[in-house]
Amino acid sequence: AQTVTQSQPEMSVQEAETVTLSCTYDTSESDYYLFWYKQPPSRQMILVIRQEAYKQQNATENRFSVNFQKAAKSFSLKISDSQLGDAAMYFCAYRSGDTLAGSYQLTFGKGTKLSVIP
Amino acid sequence: SQTIHQWPATLVQPVGSPLSLECTVEGTSNPNLYWYRQAAGRGLQLLFYSVGIGQISSEVPQNLSASRPQDRQFILSSKKLLLSDSGFYLCAWNVGGANTEAFFGQGTRLTVV
Repeated sequence: AQTVTQSQPEMSVQEAETVTLSCTYDTSESDYYLFWYKQPPSRQMILVIRQEAYKQQNATENRFSVNFQKAAKSFSLKISDSQLGDAAMYFCAYRSGDTLAGSYQLTFGKGTKLSVIP
Repeated sequence: SQTIHQWPATLVQPVGSPLSLECTVEGTSNPNLYWYRQAAGRGLQLLFYSVGIGQISSEVPQNLSASRPQDRQFILSSKKLLLSDSGFYLCAWNVGGANTEAFFGQGTRLTVV
């Protein structure tokens, strides 16, 4: 079974600075997808960024980028120019690419609570 | 556009009482549907998923059950709640392949007293 580990329960960053959230995962599959979700105080889960395992290029979405190290099974999220609205719980998630599985459920890490200091 | 509705937003129930949480999706057909539970300080745990009407897969054996009576309706139930059932319950859906985004409802905060 796949597992996702986020080793930082809490992180803080100064507004306008850069922060990196760590995520490692364990899988024997070669085809899979990785996601970062944000859960603000409203509790609504929002997709931040996704990465296909077969792509070597790291995904980027505006101020959010990932450092995907497939051999090391590492998938960290970098937030640049941090804003107050970035304060939230961040969850790393794994999804198998096995089309025979019949569904595409996500396996989540325990999350990292990010605080942004004005 | 697609939307997902989940209700109620908060619920306080006594131990031993029944539970029914409902989730409906609009604007799409034949979605995959999911129920997750988020306990305090922990990540999301998949409880059930469904790939079609009447098709339910359980990931974790427990005091809960799920049903999908219609294509875009997913219900989480319990006959008798336990204290350990307290938590934050999230419904989600997606369509398409493994790389597609999962969309989440607003969640239900369940407190069993």
